[in-house]
Amino acid sequence: EVRLVESGGGLVQPGGSLRLSCRASGFTFADHQMNWVRQAPGKGLEWISYITSGGGIIKYPDSVRGRFTISRDDAKNSLYLQLNSLRVEDTAMYFCARELLYNIGGQRVWHYLDYWGQGTLVTVSS
Amino acid sequence: ETVLTQSPATLSLSPGERATLSCRASQGVSYYLAWYQQKPGQAPRLLIYDASTRATGIPTRFSGSGSGTDFTLTISSLEAEDFAVYYCQQRGNWPLTFGGGTKVEVK
Repeated sequence: EVRLVESGGGLVQPGGSLRLSCRASGFTFADHQMNWVRQAPGKGLEWISYITSGGGIIKYPDSVRGRFTISRDDAKNSLYLQLNSLRVEDTAMYFCARELLYNIGGQRVWHYLDYWGQGTLVTVSS
Repeated sequence: ETVLTQSPATLSLSPGERATLSCRASQGVSYYLAWYQQKPGQAPRLLIYDASTRATGIPTRFSGSGSGTDFTLTISSLEAEDFAVYYCQQRGNWPLTFGGGTKVEVK
């Protein structure tokens, strides 16, 4: 069974830092691209980072570039997100999500999120 | 950035009725669009990708169509477990973006 379990969220003051972790099991973690997606309370979904298998390509949207850093440790089946210079507007549930590798015809696909963790809540407040 | 606009914001329907949800992109994304379902307190679930391909285990009452800038998710006959929020997501252009969601509620 595929499982993704996030941890590391909590209450932090504006300007502070947190490191989120996502532990994967039930699949070959090293084979998959991974993403972080967040959801502010009562709001929609926002993609915030992507890392390829092997970690060679990393992408962020403008809203977090320069403040957030995604990384992975395939030996530990783990994905990480370092959050720095946190702002009140970063308050959200943070989900890690695995990318689908192949479609039903066996062709490679990209950037569709087929398994998600339950999320870890980050609250930025003074 | 490719903005995805979903309509309507809320759809009030009864079980057994047909639901039609729309997602419009601010620029063309080819067929690179997915739909997700999210229930309260849960993570999103992938329903449809590449505009019309059902993900593993998704019932046939869910279908997707469209290409370019206009996409539709159709639920042919609503069941009790289908009342939820639905999001579209594009992967045609960076950054990846999601629509604002359509809530399907019980009438």
